[in-house]
Amino acid sequence: GENVEQHPSTLSVQEGDSAVIKCTYSDSASNYFPWYKQELGKRPQLIIDIRSNVGEKKDQRIAVTLNKTAKHFSLHITETQPEDSAVYFCAALGRGMIYNQGGKLIFGQGTELSVKP
Amino acid sequence: DAGVIQSPRHEVTEMGQEVTLRCKPISGHDYLFWYRQTMMRGLELLIYFNNNVPIDDSGMPEDRFSAKMPNASFSTLKIQPSEPRDSAVYFCASRLGWDRADTQYFGPGTRLTVL
Repeated sequence: GENVEQHPSTLSVQEGDSAVIKCTYSDSASNYFPWYKQELGKRPQLIIDIRSNVGEKKDQRIAVTLNKTAKHFSLHITETQPEDSAVYFCAALGRGMIYNQGGKLIFGQGTELSVKP
Repeated sequence: DAGVIQSPRHEVTEMGQEVTLRCKPISGHDYLFWYRQTMMRGLELLIYFNNNVPIDDSGMPEDRFSAKMPNASFSTLKIQPSEPRDSAVYFCASRLGWDRADTQYFGPGTRLTVL
């Protein structure tokens, strides 16, 4: 079935360093890949997304890259700050069970990022 | 817009009791999703609706769980009877339309504890 693998499960970096989180997906028809950030006790919130016709997208200190051939996509955070500490989820939009009924997001297992001051 | 609204925010109940979680999606959104989050299993999709019709309920764990969407602005997730292993945070989310790139917004969640 559809699957998204996310690595690493935990990541600890020093403030100012970069952090990279990687995901692979199984459904070659997936065409939309969002990243969500979930702070402790809060809801997941979208921080950046990428569509399959784009290889890279950047928003200030956050960037996402996509390799459709390899079915890989990654989140890059530069100049990390303590407030970046959270759980990050990647997702891929899988096929709907009924044609043209939209699809469901398949989430990775999450990466707990800790940024040490 | 107030965003996705869920109630209650916290629920503590005893094993065997019926639990009803409620969700109001963002106005105009055609898709509504119910997720369960635990440390062990991560974020699991339970069921989702399109225009109030259930599309995929393959994630519903067992017959004790049921979900309804009687109209475009309200959905419920019911657990009857509840068990301690149902303890989790339950999120509702909504999305605008059939364009696959529409952003999906999560509600604040309901933290359920079954004693």
